[in-house]
Amino acid sequence: EVQLVESGGDLVQPGGSLRLSCIASGFTFSNYWMTWVRQAPGKGLEWVANIGKDGRDTYYVDSVRGRFTISRDAAKNSLYLQMHSLRDDDTAVYYCARDRDFHNFDLWGQGTTVTVSS
Amino acid sequence: DVVMTQSPLSLPVTLGQPASISCRSSQSLVHNNGNTYLHWFQQRPGQSPRRLIYMISNRDSGVPDRFSGSGSGTDFTLKISRVEAEDVGVYYCMQGTFRPPTFGPGTKVEIK
Repeated sequence: EVQLVESGGDLVQPGGSLRLSCIASGFTFSNYWMTWVRQAPGKGLEWVANIGKDGRDTYYVDSVRGRFTISRDAAKNSLYLQMHSLRDDDTAVYYCARDRDFHNFDLWGQGTTVTVSS
Repeated sequence: DVVMTQSPLSLPVTLGQPASISCRSSQSLVHNNGNTYLHWFQQRPGQSPRRLIYMISNRDSGVPDRFSGSGSGTDFTLKISRVEAEDVGVYYCMQGTFRPPTFGPGTKVEIK
């Protein structure tokens, strides 16, 4: 089955760190760009970051640049989001998505919840 | 960044009746390669988003043909020809032409 499964979400204090993971199955992971999108409680969707097929190209939304790092491991069919200096406004459900040409997100995971609170 | 707007933000619809959602971008979404990367996503209550239509008018596999997309440049429309109960949820347009990709605020479709 073609799917994405996220994990790693948790309750963390402001200023803390967290690493999200997304395991891909059912398709050739290394053939696709991958992306993270988040959704704050009761709010809309916000693109966070994406990464090229070989991991060399990465892009971030301004609000997370310098704090978050997207990476991937082809051998493990896995996508990651390392988050540092977490803030209250990073609280959200984080989705990983398969990213076809030009930010065309055709496959989404079920999401993992990050709560930043003291 | 490209700003995406949608209207209406809330859309009560009678079952079996049509529905239409407008999406506008702050600049033309035509890429230098001639393609327009405007997509529509559906998010049912409690679920992940799901792509419905890509590049203005191409329906995803498994999407009922009552859904259709149209438009060009800066103005786009998602239409549901006859709303069914399973169509309840929030619909987002998104542009992928420019980085960062940006979503509209969402239109909540509910049954009257």
